[in-house]
Amino acid sequence: NAGVTQTPKFQVLKTGQSMTLQCAQDMNHNSMYWYRQDPGMGLRLIYYSASEGTTDKGEVPNGYNVSRLNKREFSLRLESAAPSQTSVYFCASSEFIGAGELFFGEGSRLTVL
Amino acid sequence: AQKITQTQPGMFVQEKEAVTLDCTYDTSDPSYGLFWYKQPSSGEMIFLIYQGSYDQQNATEGRYSLNFQKARKSANLVISASQLGDSAMYFCAMRELYSGGGADGLTFGKGTHLIIQP
Repeated sequence: NAGVTQTPKFQVLKTGQSMTLQCAQDMNHNSMYWYRQDPGMGLRLIYYSASEGTTDKGEVPNGYNVSRLNKREFSLRLESAAPSQTSVYFCASSEFIGAGELFFGEGSRLTVL
Repeated sequence: AQKITQTQPGMFVQEKEAVTLDCTYDTSDPSYGLFWYKQPSSGEMIFLIYQGSYDQQNATEGRYSLNFQKARKSANLVISASQLGDSAMYFCAMRELYSGGGADGLTFGKGTHLIIQP
């Protein structure tokens, strides 16, 4: 029962480097989400995918791109990392759009120097 | 305007006492859900309890209950008989069926850091 799996768990980047956070869910969920968590800010939505083949912006999309590779996988890419992107990133999934709880991965801690 | 407001950044409570964590929300969507998540120091997000906007009764899950006051747009989490393991960050969140034309997903409050003292 893996649920939502994120990789890597930890990453340190230099400013300007690129990287991709990978996320996979094994619950046959339709919708997937990427959030970032910063101290005192709660979780903020970066991008989401309501279903395979669709992606949409959330509250804080600037500096990020996403790909819904298939129903299971949803990746988040930082093309040119900035120190402001230092954060903990969570991937989540939901069976349906608009209703029900989100199931979260364990988080990925990213530091940009 | 914030959609979810948690007014208690931190709380200290004695073990075995009941705890109420405050949450108010703002939406014009008639269909929505309210959620509470727990985030222990290990960092994972643990779903605790859910209340739908049309639910007549307050939700309960073991020691957790949600005090839902729709007219006041309030969805407080009550933890009965607190335990040391309840020490964590607690987040209130809302999901709107129609999202006012905006993004789907949960909108989170900033959280309450609960510390249970022996």
